Amino acid sequence: GQNIDQPTEMTATEGAIVQINCTYQTSGFNGLFWYQQHAGEAPTFLSYNVLDGLEEKGRFSSFLSRSKGYSYLLLKELQMKDSASYLCAVRRGNTDKLIFGTGTRLQVFP
Amino acid sequence: DADVTQTPRNRITKTGKRIMLECSQTKGHDRMYWYRQDPGLGLRLIYYSFDVKDINKGEISDGYSVSRQAQAKFSLSLESAIPNQTALYFCATSVNSPRGRETQYFGPGTRLLVL
Repeated sequence: GQNIDQPTEMTATEGAIVQINCTYQTSGFNGLFWYQQHAGEAPTFLSYNVLDGLEEKGRFSSFLSRSKGYSYLLLKELQMKDSASYLCAVRRGNTDKLIFGTGTRLQVFP
Repeated sequence: DADVTQTPRNRITKTGKRIMLECSQTKGHDRMYWYRQDPGLGLRLIYYSFDVKDINKGEISDGYSVSRQAQAKFSLSLESAIPNQTALYFCATSVNSPRGRETQYFGPGTRLLVL
């Protein structure tokens, strides 16, 4: 089967750093995506990992450990506009089908 | 102009009615998807299509049908709507990439309420 787990909600303070974890159990793993989704809006792409290690893109970084079935999204220098849901999604095999986690709702406070 | 558009953006209908949601894209992508999103359940795949006339069931296809008559358009139909089909529906597109790094691009969503 396949299962993706992420915390339901997190809170953090403006200017701080927050790490959102995602664990997965799936056969045929072929990449992990992180998306940002503001309330009522479409998900937008943040990052992609297929090999172990850290991918950095500005204030956002994403890490993957395939042996542990684990990824995290790191957000630095938090801003109020970072308040959103963050979706972890795993791709299986050679298709573009994605399995999504339920998302982590992040609230950033002043 | 948006690359992936959905119509309508909001719809209220009654139980038993037939309803169609439309998705159009100008990205030139060959792959298109329909998802529904419910609170606490995340995005779930309903149907997907990798080319014109190619139709594949996702994890929750019961009660839905789709049509892909052109590369740029992918329609989702609810033949007889029921209240538990109330949800936020997203269309997405992607390109077939051997490198596998290509993400899916989502439309703005259609909020459907079935009374």
